Amino acid sequence: DTEVTQTPKHLVMGMTNKKSLKCEQHMGHRAMYWYKQKAKKPPELMFVYSYEKLSINESVPSRFSPECPNSSLLNLHLHALQPEDSALYLCASSQDRGVWELFFGEGSRLTVL
Amino acid sequence: AQSVTQLDSQVPVFEEAPVELRCNYSSSVSVYLFWYVQYPNQGLQLLLKYLSGSTLVKGINGFEAEFNKSQTSFHLRKPSVHISDTAEYFCAVTSGANNLFFGTGTRLTVIP
Repeated sequence: DTEVTQTPKHLVMGMTNKKSLKCEQHMGHRAMYWYKQKAKKPPELMFVYSYEKLSINESVPSRFSPECPNSSLLNLHLHALQPEDSALYLCASSQDRGVWELFFGEGSRLTVL
Repeated sequence: AQSVTQLDSQVPVFEEAPVELRCNYSSSVSVYLFWYVQYPNQGLQLLLKYLSGSTLVKGINGFEAEFNKSQTSFHLRKPSVHISDTAEYFCAVTSGANNLFFGTGTRLTVIP
């Protein structure tokens, strides 16, 4: 059983829709991450959130917007996505920033039509 | 910056045979190394890690890996594989700073 919970597991959306992916961890971890994984590729880091500070991968488009309501929740807001954004979105957490023993959720499979 | 190379994209092996998945890294500073496993339609799970100390590290599910600084390698081994080991395996490296760099993955297929 994973201790990082992601919802929804599957999401289909049109290019004009607004949707959100949600992630929750109850391990008391102080760092949370969003990764994007295309088929047969390694995960790519999108965002890191730690101690109320957000670190962004400069190459991530602004149509992806992270939000951290509290230390155990991390959301990813999606707006005006493109078909090439279809991927598996993985949330992860770690004990602290710079501690790279990551605990991953099962992912949210996103399809953009 | 660091990088990691997994030369074998696919490794087929018969059940109960030994397996080695290769990983080589590049870095100008000290590194920490990880192996993650991803089963179909799931997230990644940590198999084992090298942070310091003994160069032979043991992980879950009977896997082990050896850190070889002179060869800049961190190969993953298992003496006898099971059908349930069929999965994608990712090697990853970090200097502990801002990112964890994943290799392109090796698909292990265990043949009955």
